[in-house]
Amino acid sequence: DTAVSQTPKYLVTQMGNDKSIKCEQNLGHDTMYWYKQDSKKFLKIMFSYNNKELIINETVPNRFSPKSPDKAHLNLHINSLELGDSAVYFCASSHERQGFTEAFFGQGTRLTVV
Amino acid sequence: DQQVKQNSPSLSVQEGRISILNCDYTNSMFDYFLWYKKYPAEGPTFLISISSIKDKNEDGRFTVFLNKSAKHLSLHIVPSQPGDSAVYFCAASASGGNYGQNFVFGPGTRLSVLP
Repeated sequence: DTAVSQTPKYLVTQMGNDKSIKCEQNLGHDTMYWYKQDSKKFLKIMFSYNNKELIINETVPNRFSPKSPDKAHLNLHINSLELGDSAVYFCASSHERQGFTEAFFGQGTRLTVV
Repeated sequence: DQQVKQNSPSLSVQEGRISILNCDYTNSMFDYFLWYKKYPAEGPTFLISISSIKDKNEDGRFTVFLNKSAKHLSLHIVPSQPGDSAVYFCAASASGGNYGQNFVFGPGTRLSVLP
């Protein structure tokens, strides 16, 4: 009965590789997000999708490309991985309504680039 | 530039006492504030929220207070329990009627509740 699930939970890969992180939510939400928690533990938004459309795209290298095949899924593909990409990546979702809403987070994917 | 600040990286409280976690923000467009709790190796879990039209919201042992003029909010946990030991993140957003909210998070405060 997991609400927001991400796979894999841990990912160790070499520099230069391409990798994907998958995210699925079964809450019926129509907005999904990717957040990055860096080494200083700050949680920063990367992307937001509403009904498969990109809404927020913060300053993120274009090696990062989100893909939303449907509103229950938002995958993150990363090309040419660099050491600085090592972080914990969180997927989240929310029920979009005008005004106030909260986001529900997945358990995170710890990416280590070696 | 940090728009949401949590100036105490850590806080220790005795079980049964009150825990007070503080948060300051700089962006006057923020009108919705949330607190999240995070255990190691897990994602943040939503705890409680408050909109800018209120100055207090209560849910069981958790109360959030908002002082708009000071751009300050606080989370009170009474009584504190050992299971409350976690990292607490303050977050803020500007709803503005737009879809796809950008939740801006503070750096977190690690709460330790001592038995």
